[in-house]
Amino acid sequence: DAGVIQSPRHEVTEMGQEVTLRCKPISGHDYLFWYRQTMMRGLELLIYFNNNVPIDDSGMPEDRFSAKMPNASFSTLKIQPSEPRDSAVYFCASSPGTRIGGELFFGEGSRLTVL
Amino acid sequence: SQKIEQNSEALNIQEGKTATLTCNYTNYSPAYLQWYRQDPGRGPVFLLLIRENEKEKRKERLKVTFDTTLKQSLFHITASQPADSATYLCALNTDKLIFGTGTRLQVFP
Repeated sequence: DAGVIQSPRHEVTEMGQEVTLRCKPISGHDYLFWYRQTMMRGLELLIYFNNNVPIDDSGMPEDRFSAKMPNASFSTLKIQPSEPRDSAVYFCASSPGTRIGGELFFGEGSRLTVL
Repeated sequence: SQKIEQNSEALNIQEGKTATLTCNYTNYSPAYLQWYRQDPGRGPVFLLLIRENEKEKRKERLKVTFDTTLKQSLFHITASQPADSATYLCALNTDKLIFGTGTRLQVFP
């Protein structure tokens, strides 16, 4: 299996621009997670899906952030408009667990820099 | 408030020694705890999971303990090697998986 695939690996954009990050989970995994990692705050859970349905989005910082999972093999995290404080590495992870809490398989991350 | 604490300072040890990393938490009652390894520029990789009713779990040179009374987990790497150098993250399961900020381990020859 190819693992969790994220794109782009690196994104540099200017403040105010729209950013879309993409994720393809491992086939057959029921859960998909979006995390954000910074030096100051570590890995923060933004949102997670179970069977394509958003379950908990309490970690999404504000309305500028949105996430979708239109099918079992694709998810997007969108930031509109982007701000410099959104600069971070964004990770997507999937899990095969039949309930929340199983081992997570992470992608390699998308490093976002907002100027 | 809920908190997961890992030593933010890097741990430097000599090759062959045992590395011990600590994960302390407050105001959580996790059903289990996980440890991950993260290399620079890469995503975290799962290492071990220990359940609340387990005191200890081993995998090759790795050993994890879980003390729900002390609210602490210890992660040991025996016979450490330079290739073990990485950041190690603990994660608690409540209704979702919450990560600590990680401890960087440096093993020097």
